[in-house]
Amino acid sequence: SQQGEEDPQALSIQEGENATMNCSYKTSINNLQWYRQNSGRGLVHLILIRSNEREKHSGRLRVTLDTSKKSSSLLITASRAADTASYFCATDSSASKIIFGSGTRLSIRP
Amino acid sequence: EPEVTQTPSHQVTQMGQEVILRCVPISNHLYFYWYRQILGQKVEFLVSFYNNEISEKSEIFDDQFSVERPDGSNFTLKIRSTKLEDSAMYFCASKSDQETQYFGPGTRLLVL
Repeated sequence: SQQGEEDPQALSIQEGENATMNCSYKTSINNLQWYRQNSGRGLVHLILIRSNEREKHSGRLRVTLDTSKKSSSLLITASRAADTASYFCATDSSASKIIFGSGTRLSIRP
Repeated sequence: EPEVTQTPSHQVTQMGQEVILRCVPISNHLYFYWYRQILGQKVEFLVSFYNNEISEKSEIFDDQFSVERPDGSNFTLKIRSTKLEDSAMYFCASKSDQETQYFGPGTRLLVL
């Protein structure tokens, strides 16, 4: 079974608007993380939310976690051109690995 | 800020050749990982390594793959006899006893 599926697959918004990406997962987790990947580049860790947390903020990022629905959302407020990237959620259900979703490709139009 | 580094950034090899991908994890980290990302696909877990042994490996990590921590700083992934389908971006990651895994910039491997 797939763990960590994001929607939408692609999102295009105007600069300054807010972008919301969602992630769903299937099994119980210890934590959920969001990563950003610029085209062809490495993965940059954005934020981690633990299973006993419901919401977390970091700068323009806001992450929510609903363990009853097995879902998380990433909100980027006041988007900028530099936010153009793919965003992945990743779930940690064991100490040994994290499992990535398919990602949302976010494009910010100037 | 400390970061994970990987070399080379790009590697082109012929099918059947051996390749070694190198990683230098963050110095005080204890857990080490390899992941790969085939072009246009999701990032897939390959293997985790702790206390000088493999903790967990995926189905992808077959006998053609091996990992090693030859000294106190390097962590390597060896592919013994590369196949066309091994072409991918390979990411190394490390973490301390906290939850966050930090990723390197990746090595883009192309098998011809």
